[in-house]
Amino acid sequence: AQSVTQLGSHVSVSEGALVLLRCNYSSSVPPYLFWYVQYPNQGLQLLLKYTSAATLVKGINGFEAEFKKSETSFHLTKPSAHMSDAAEYFCAVSDPGNTGFQKLVFGTGTRLLVSP
Amino acid sequence: DADVTQTPRNRITKTGKRIMLECSQTKGHDRMYWYRQDPGLGLRLIYYSFDVKDINKGEISDGYSVSRQAQAKFSLSLESAIPNQTALYFCATSTFVSGPLQETQYFGPGTRLLVL
Repeated sequence: AQSVTQLGSHVSVSEGALVLLRCNYSSSVPPYLFWYVQYPNQGLQLLLKYTSAATLVKGINGFEAEFKKSETSFHLTKPSAHMSDAAEYFCAVSDPGNTGFQKLVFGTGTRLLVSP
Repeated sequence: DADVTQTPRNRITKTGKRIMLECSQTKGHDRMYWYRQDPGLGLRLIYYSFDVKDINKGEISDGYSVSRQAQAKFSLSLESAIPNQTALYFCATSTFVSGPLQETQYFGPGTRLLVL
């Protein structure tokens, strides 16, 4: 079964510092991969998704993620953190063999804390 | 106005009580989902519906039932609530485009349920 592992339940950075949130997937074939963000008291919002067209995927709010098959990873990065980036981030995977349904399997989430 | 709304936003109930969580969407999507979020566990799929007459069990459907009253409405019921159903519940919607990768799931703001 597809699964994702997010290393670190909490990540703290200073404003202006690099943001790196880690996600590793387990799958025998490259899956579809997604990053979602959840701001306080809100639902999840799609940040970006891996489409297999390009290994470096750019998303909203300056975030990007790089798919590395050799490392089975899809880490999320942002060059310079902003206070408004404080939120919980979820990595998710979907089986590309499931042609009729985007069945998402979520990681456990990483809470990003940004200090002034 | 929000595209995906959930009512109530917060609910406290007692063990054994029947409770219904409601979800409405104005996006015109045909697919709707119910997820449960627990701390440290990410989101897990409870039920999903492709249209009014097509309802399917997800990963953790035991103890839950659903009703798709219309294309825009999808309700989740706990027939006899128990404390381990205390969680944050999310509704999501999507529509089939040309394949699962082209779908985007849009999430409601969530319902926080406490079962005493």
